[in-house]
Amino acid sequence: GNSVTQMEGPVTLSEEAFLTINCTYTATGYPSLFWYVQYPGEGLQLLLKATKADDKGSNKGFEATYRKETTSFHLEKGSVQVSDSAVYFCAFQGQAGTALIFGKGTTLSVSS
Amino acid sequence: DVKVTQSSRYLVKRTGEKVFLECVQDMDHENMFWYRQDPGLGLRLIYFSYDVKMKEKGDIPEGYSVSREKKERFSLILESASTNQTSMYLCASSRRRSTDTQYFGPGTRLTVL
Repeated sequence: GNSVTQMEGPVTLSEEAFLTINCTYTATGYPSLFWYVQYPGEGLQLLLKATKADDKGSNKGFEATYRKETTSFHLEKGSVQVSDSAVYFCAFQGQAGTALIFGKGTTLSVSS
Repeated sequence: DVKVTQSSRYLVKRTGEKVFLECVQDMDHENMFWYRQDPGLGLRLIYFSYDVKMKEKGDIPEGYSVSREKKERFSLILESASTNQTSMYLCASSRRRSTDTQYFGPGTRLTVL
């Protein structure tokens, strides 16, 4: 069945470190892929998305590339800030369905 | 600006009570969703609706029902609250039936004693 697997956290980094959060998916067809972020005490916000293979989504210095051959959508940022501390969710949405399927979330903690 | 609001940020109820969680969106979106979020489990879909008076079960509908009488409002109902329904509840909406960004409300943290 459809599923999303993302690396377990927590991930603890120092400011300006490089970030990678791995995400792979299992799905039929050609899903759209998303990264959502949840800051403390808030709901989820869309961070970036990609709707077809080889698309790169980017926002706020974060990037992720839709890799159909490896069924992956890894999140990267070259230099994290303390304000990036949050929970990050990978998700996909199949062509035929409406609801998002989420990974379990990865908590990122950045210290100065 | 896109806006999804939920009626309460924090709610404490007793076992057996009937609980209503309200969600309102001001974007004229067709789709609305209810998820619950639990540590280590991520978000799981309870119910969704793609039109007024339409509803479909998600992955974990047991113990819940929903109501969508108006396009902008989607209510989640716990008919008889139980302690295992203590959770964070998130409402979301989106513009089309498929492959579109979902916008989330701030969440309601429900505690059932």
